[in-house]
Amino acid sequence: KNQVEQSPQSLIILEGKNCTLQCNYTVSPFSNLRWYKQDTGRGPVSLTIMTFSENTKSNGRYTATLDADTKQSSLHITASQLSDSASYICVVSVMNNAGNMLTFGGGTRLMVKP
Amino acid sequence: DARVTQTPRHKVTEMGQEVTMRCQPILGHNTVFWYRQTMMQGLELLAYFRNRAPLDDSGMPKDRFSAEMPDATLATLKIQPSEPRDSAVYFCASGLGLAGSYEQYFGPGTRLTVT
Repeated sequence: KNQVEQSPQSLIILEGKNCTLQCNYTVSPFSNLRWYKQDTGRGPVSLTIMTFSENTKSNGRYTATLDADTKQSSLHITASQLSDSASYICVVSVMNNAGNMLTFGGGTRLMVKP
Repeated sequence: DARVTQTPRHKVTEMGQEVTMRCQPILGHNTVFWYRQTMMQGLELLAYFRNRAPLDDSGMPKDRFSAEMPDATLATLKIQPSEPRDSAVYFCASGLGLAGSYEQYFGPGTRLTVT
């Protein structure tokens, strides 16, 4: 069964600190992996998309890494800000006959405190 | 600033009533997705359309849910009859090309409560 597991489920850090969120997946054949940020009461917003051949991608203070051999990805947030408080969702895409199947992780809920 | 719009933003209804949620994708996008999000299940893909044709609705309960795209500027998700377990936030997203290979832009969601 294709699965995407995220850890930790929740995390509290102090403003200015760094943190790393983890995503492990078993989906196959892999197409791409995305990280989304979802603020409370809003729709998810894409942070990064990585294909099989990419092992790192940055978007400002957000850096995603991908190890396709071990099927692991991480999202590193540098110098956290209060506005980083949100849920972070890892989504893995695999191609099927219909064109796509998206498997979602359960998300990590991050709270940044002053 | 192009964005996906959804109406209504909030809906409270009684069990057994019909619910229709609407989505206006970003102009020019040819693929539309419907998702459901609950605390217990997280985000689930219900259905998606490409060029207005349904490509995959395997995530959608067929007996009560239906999704359509009457035209390129409108997608609808209908529940009839609604049940309390349908209470969730329903998101619409749009994009270009094949679903797995490009960016999706999410709307603000419709928060549905069925009592």
